[in-house]
Amino acid sequence: EVQLVESGGGLVQPGRSMKLSCAASGFTFSNYGMAWVRQAPTKGLEWVATISYDGSSTYYRDSVKGRFTISRDNAKSTLYLQMNSLRSEDTATYYCTRGTAHYWGQGVMVTVSS
Amino acid sequence: DIQVTQSPSSLLASLGERVTITCQTSQSISNNLNWYQQKPGQAPMLLIYYATSLQTGMPSRFSGQYSGRSFTLTITSLEPEDIANYFCLQHYSAPHTFGSGTKLEIK
Repeated sequence: EVQLVESGGGLVQPGRSMKLSCAASGFTFSNYGMAWVRQAPTKGLEWVATISYDGSSTYYRDSVKGRFTISRDNAKSTLYLQMNSLRSEDTATYYCTRGTAHYWGQGVMVTVSS
Repeated sequence: DIQVTQSPSSLLASLGERVTITCQTSQSISNNLNWYQQKPGQAPMLLIYYATSLQTGMPSRFSGQYSGRSFTLTITSLEPEDIANYFCLQHYSAPHTFGSGTKLEIK
């Protein structure tokens, strides 16, 4: 069974950093591209960042370029999202997804507020 | 960016009724569109991938069709457990973009 379990969320002040993790199991992690998707409270969904199966290629939405870094450790079957210079508009539930979002984690809440 | 226009934003339907939700893309994406169901407090769940393929384990009353840039999700006979938000995702080109969602409620 495919499982994606996010961790690392919480309350953070504007301008500070936070790192999310996503532990994957139930499939060969190194065979799949992965992505982070977010959903602000009562809002729609946004594709945040994507990383290729081997980590050689990444993509970011414009609003997070230069602030967020997606990475992966295939030996640990874990996906990461390093978020720097956080803004209030980054407040959302962040989901880890596999491939073209066939599977989703349960999500982790990130609240950026002073 | 490819824009995805989803309609309606909300829908009141009766149990047993046929329900249709539509996504229109701003440019051709072939069949690179997925449909999802999201219940309150839960993660989205894949219903349909590549526009017409039913995800394993999903009820056969859900189906997807497309013609050109117009994509439809149909529930042939609404069940109580189908009350949820539904949205589409185009994954033809980056940034992948979502429809704004349809809130489905019982009349």
